[in-house]
Amino acid sequence: DTGVSQDPRHKITKRGQNVTFRCDPISEHNRLYWYRQTLGQGPEFLTYFQNEAQLEKSRLLSDRFSAERPKGSFSTLEIQRTEQGDSAMYLCASTDRVNTEAFFGQGTRLTVV
Amino acid sequence: GEDVEQSLFLSVREGDSSVINCTYTDSSSTYLYWYKQEPGAGLQLLTYIFSNMDMKQDQRLTVLLNKKDKHLSLRIADTQTGDSAIYFCLLGGGNTGKLIFGQGTTLQVKP
Repeated sequence: DTGVSQDPRHKITKRGQNVTFRCDPISEHNRLYWYRQTLGQGPEFLTYFQNEAQLEKSRLLSDRFSAERPKGSFSTLEIQRTEQGDSAMYLCASTDRVNTEAFFGQGTRLTVV
Repeated sequence: GEDVEQSLFLSVREGDSSVINCTYTDSSSTYLYWYKQEPGAGLQLLTYIFSNMDMKQDQRLTVLLNKKDKHLSLRIADTQTGDSAIYFCLLGGGNTGKLIFGQGTTLQVKP
Protein backbone atom coordinates (compact mmCIF):
# COMPACT_ATOMS: atom_id res chain seq x y z
CA ASP A 1 0.00 0.00 0.00
CA THR A 2 1.53 3.30 -1.04
CA GLY A 3 -0.52 5.53 1.20
CA VAL A 4 -3.38 7.88 0.41
CA SER A 5 -3.52 8.83 -3.24
CA GLN A 6 -5.49 11.65 -4.82
CA ASP A 7 -6.29 12.23 -8.44
CA PRO A 8 -5.77 14.52 -10.23
CA ARG A 9 -2.92 16.43 -8.60
CA HIS A 10 -3.83 19.61 -10.43
CA LYS A 11 -7.02 20.76 -12.10
CA ILE A 12 -7.67 23.99 -13.96
CA THR A 13 -11.27 24.61 -14.89
CA LYS A 14 -13.42 27.41 -16.17
CA ARG A 15 -15.94 29.04 -13.88
CA GLY A 16 -19.27 27.26 -14.09
CA GLN A 17 -17.86 23.85 -14.95
CA ASN A 18 -18.22 20.76 -12.76
CA VAL A 19 -15.18 18.97 -11.38
CA THR A 20 -14.72 15.65 -9.60
CA PHE A 21 -11.78 14.56 -7.48
CA ARG A 22 -10.94 11.09 -6.31
CA CYS A 23 -9.30 9.84 -3.13
CA ASP A 24 -8.03 6.32 -2.53
CA PRO A 25 -7.38 5.78 1.17
CA ILE A 26 -5.16 3.20 2.79
CA SER A 27 -6.98 -0.05 2.20
CA GLU A 28 -7.70 -1.09 5.78
CA HIS A 29 -8.74 2.38 6.92
CA ASN A 30 -12.44 2.83 7.38
CA ARG A 31 -12.47 6.59 8.04
CA LEU A 32 -11.95 9.05 5.22
CA TYR A 33 -11.84 12.85 5.51
CA TRP A 34 -11.93 15.74 3.05
CA TYR A 35 -10.39 19.15 3.79
CA ARG A 36 -9.91 22.36 1.85
CA GLN A 37 -6.85 24.55 2.27
CA THR A 38 -6.46 28.03 0.81
CA LEU A 39 -3.20 29.92 0.67
CA GLY A 40 -1.96 30.98 4.07
CA GLN A 41 -4.73 29.16 5.93
CA GLY A 42 -4.97 25.88 7.79
CA PRO A 43 -6.97 22.99 6.35
CA GLU A 44 -10.72 23.38 6.87
CA PHE A 45 -12.84 20.33 7.53
CA LEU A 46 -15.37 19.57 4.79
CA THR A 47 -16.79 16.13 5.48
CA TYR A 48 -15.93 12.64 6.65
CA PHE A 49 -17.02 9.05 6.18
CA GLN A 50 -16.95 5.94 8.26
CA ASN A 51 -17.07 3.15 5.72
CA GLU A 52 -19.75 4.26 3.24
CA ALA A 53 -21.67 6.44 5.69
CA GLN A 54 -21.17 10.19 5.52
CA LEU A 55 -21.18 11.12 9.19
CA GLU A 56 -20.77 14.87 9.06
CA LYS A 57 -20.73 17.65 6.52
CA SER A 58 -19.40 21.12 7.29
CA ARG A 59 -21.59 24.17 7.01
CA LEU A 60 -18.79 25.49 4.78
CA LEU A 61 -20.03 23.18 2.06
CA SER A 62 -22.68 24.67 -0.12
CA ASP A 63 -25.17 22.59 -2.03
CA ARG A 64 -22.76 22.67 -4.96
CA PHE A 65 -20.47 20.24 -3.12
CA SER A 66 -21.18 16.56 -2.78
CA ALA A 67 -19.05 13.66 -1.61
CA GLU A 68 -19.59 9.94 -1.88
CA ARG A 69 -17.90 6.78 -0.75
CA PRO A 70 -20.12 4.17 -2.34
CA LYS A 71 -18.38 0.96 -1.32
CA GLY A 72 -16.50 2.21 1.69
CA SER A 73 -13.24 2.32 -0.23
CA PHE A 74 -12.42 5.24 -2.54
CA SER A 75 -14.27 8.54 -2.30
CA THR A 76 -15.18 11.26 -4.77
CA LEU A 77 -15.73 14.96 -4.15
CA GLU A 78 -17.72 16.80 -6.78
CA ILE A 79 -18.07 20.54 -7.12
CA GLN A 80 -20.81 21.74 -9.44
CA ARG A 81 -20.86 25.14 -11.14
CA THR A 82 -17.41 26.04 -9.88
CA GLU A 83 -16.67 29.58 -8.69
CA GLN A 84 -13.36 31.36 -8.34
CA GLY A 85 -13.67 31.11 -4.58
CA ASP A 86 -13.47 27.33 -4.90
CA SER A 87 -9.81 27.61 -5.92
CA ALA A 88 -7.89 25.78 -3.20
CA MET A 89 -6.01 22.63 -2.33
CA TYR A 90 -8.37 19.77 -1.55
CA LEU A 91 -6.88 17.26 0.85
CA CYS A 92 -7.98 13.76 1.70
CA ALA A 93 -6.98 11.80 4.78
CA SER A 94 -7.71 8.34 6.12
CA THR A 95 -7.45 6.73 9.52
CA ASP A 96 -8.52 3.56 11.15
CA ARG A 97 -11.52 3.71 13.41
CA VAL A 98 -9.56 4.90 16.42
CA ASN A 99 -7.47 7.54 14.64
CA THR A 100 -4.09 6.08 15.53
CA GLU A 101 -2.42 7.93 12.71
CA ALA A 102 -3.92 10.18 10.10
CA PHE A 103 -2.42 9.77 6.65
CA PHE A 104 -2.85 12.59 4.16
CA GLY A 105 -2.72 12.53 0.40
CA GLN A 106 -0.74 15.08 -1.57
CA GLY A 107 -3.91 16.94 -2.42
CA THR A 108 -5.63 18.14 -5.56
CA ARG A 109 -4.96 21.78 -6.40
CA LEU A 110 -7.97 23.34 -8.08
CA THR A 111 -7.71 26.58 -9.99
CA VAL A 112 -10.93 28.13 -11.28
CA VAL A 113 -10.36 30.70 -14.02
CA GLY B 1 -18.20 22.94 18.97
CA GLU B 2 -14.63 21.85 18.83
CA ASP B 3 -12.00 24.55 18.74
CA VAL B 4 -8.22 24.35 18.35
CA GLU B 5 -6.13 27.50 18.75
CA GLN B 6 -2.52 28.24 17.88
CA SER B 7 -0.49 31.41 17.91
CA LEU B 8 0.12 32.45 14.32
CA PHE B 9 3.80 33.33 14.26
CA LEU B 10 7.05 32.49 16.05
CA SER B 11 10.53 33.76 15.24
CA VAL B 12 13.68 32.25 16.73
CA ARG B 13 17.41 32.30 16.06
CA GLU B 14 19.18 29.27 14.67
CA GLY B 15 20.35 27.03 17.49
CA ASP B 16 17.69 28.20 19.93
CA SER B 17 14.76 26.08 21.06
CA SER B 18 11.32 26.71 19.60
CA VAL B 19 8.10 26.05 21.46
CA ILE B 20 4.86 25.97 19.52
CA ASN B 21 1.64 25.89 21.52
CA CYS B 22 -1.84 24.59 20.89
CA THR B 23 -4.95 24.84 23.08
CA TYR B 24 -8.14 22.92 22.50
CA THR B 25 -11.64 22.54 23.86
CA ASP B 26 -12.57 18.91 23.15
CA SER B 27 -11.33 16.96 26.15
CA SER B 28 -12.42 13.69 24.53
CA SER B 29 -9.60 13.90 21.97
CA THR B 30 -7.42 10.84 22.26
CA TYR B 31 -4.81 11.39 19.55
CA LEU B 32 -2.97 14.68 19.19
CA TYR B 33 -0.71 15.21 16.19
CA TRP B 34 1.84 17.70 14.98
CA TYR B 35 2.25 18.26 11.24
CA LYS B 36 4.77 20.35 9.32
CA GLN B 37 4.02 22.04 6.03
CA GLU B 38 6.70 23.70 3.95
CA PRO B 39 5.76 26.23 1.25
CA GLY B 40 4.00 24.54 -1.66
CA ALA B 41 4.31 21.11 -0.06
CA GLY B 42 1.93 18.63 1.56
CA LEU B 43 1.45 17.86 5.23
CA GLN B 44 4.24 15.91 6.89
CA LEU B 45 3.49 14.05 10.11
CA LEU B 46 6.14 14.91 12.70
CA THR B 47 4.91 13.14 15.78
CA TYR B 48 1.82 12.33 17.79
CA ILE B 49 0.90 11.62 21.38
CA PHE B 50 -1.91 9.66 22.98
CA SER B 51 -4.08 11.33 25.57
CA ASN B 52 -2.89 8.91 28.27
CA MET B 53 0.65 10.27 27.92
CA ASP B 54 2.15 13.48 29.29
CA MET B 55 5.27 13.63 27.21
CA LYS B 56 6.84 12.09 24.15
CA GLN B 57 10.37 12.68 22.91
CA ASP B 58 11.63 11.92 19.44
CA GLN B 59 15.14 13.18 18.67
CA ARG B 60 14.94 17.00 18.59
CA LEU B 61 11.18 17.00 19.14
CA THR B 62 9.44 16.95 22.52
CA VAL B 63 5.67 16.93 22.83
CA LEU B 64 4.08 17.92 26.12
CA LEU B 65 0.41 17.38 26.92
CA ASN B 66 -1.38 19.05 29.82
CA LYS B 67 -4.84 17.52 29.81
CA LYS B 68 -6.07 19.60 32.72
CA ASP B 69 -5.36 22.84 30.86
CA LYS B 70 -6.09 21.28 27.42
CA HIS B 71 -2.71 22.45 26.22
CA LEU B 72 -0.36 20.76 23.79
CA SER B 73 3.11 21.96 22.90
CA LEU B 74 5.87 21.03 20.50
CA ARG B 75 9.44 21.87 21.42
CA ILE B 76 12.11 21.78 18.73
CA ALA B 77 15.61 21.72 20.16
CA ASP B 78 18.55 23.29 18.29
CA THR B 79 16.25 24.83 15.69
CA GLN B 80 17.68 24.90 12.17
CA THR B 81 16.80 27.04 9.14
CA GLY B 82 15.32 23.91 7.59
CA ASP B 83 12.73 23.88 10.36
CA SER B 84 11.16 27.05 8.94
CA ALA B 85 7.61 26.03 8.00
CA ILE B 86 4.03 26.14 9.20
CA TYR B 87 3.26 23.77 12.07
CA PHE B 88 -0.26 22.46 12.64
CA CYS B 89 -1.67 20.66 15.62
CA LEU B 90 -4.43 18.19 14.79
CA LEU B 91 -6.77 16.53 17.23
CA GLY B 92 -8.55 13.27 16.63
CA GLY B 93 -10.37 10.41 18.28
CA GLY B 94 -12.85 12.65 20.05
CA ASN B 95 -16.56 12.06 20.47
CA THR B 96 -17.36 13.52 17.05
CA GLY B 97 -14.82 11.38 15.21
CA LYS B 98 -13.55 14.43 13.34
CA LEU B 99 -9.94 15.47 12.90
CA ILE B 100 -9.67 19.15 13.82
CA PHE B 101 -6.76 21.38 12.79
CA GLY B 102 -5.40 24.43 14.49
CA GLN B 103 -4.79 27.49 12.30
CA GLY B 104 -1.09 26.79 12.06
CA THR B 105 1.99 28.53 13.50
CA THR B 106 4.53 29.95 11.07
CA LEU B 107 8.02 29.32 12.42
CA GLN B 108 10.70 31.64 11.13
CA VAL B 109 14.28 30.67 11.90
CA LYS B 110 16.84 33.44 11.54
CA PRO B 111 20.47 32.55 10.85
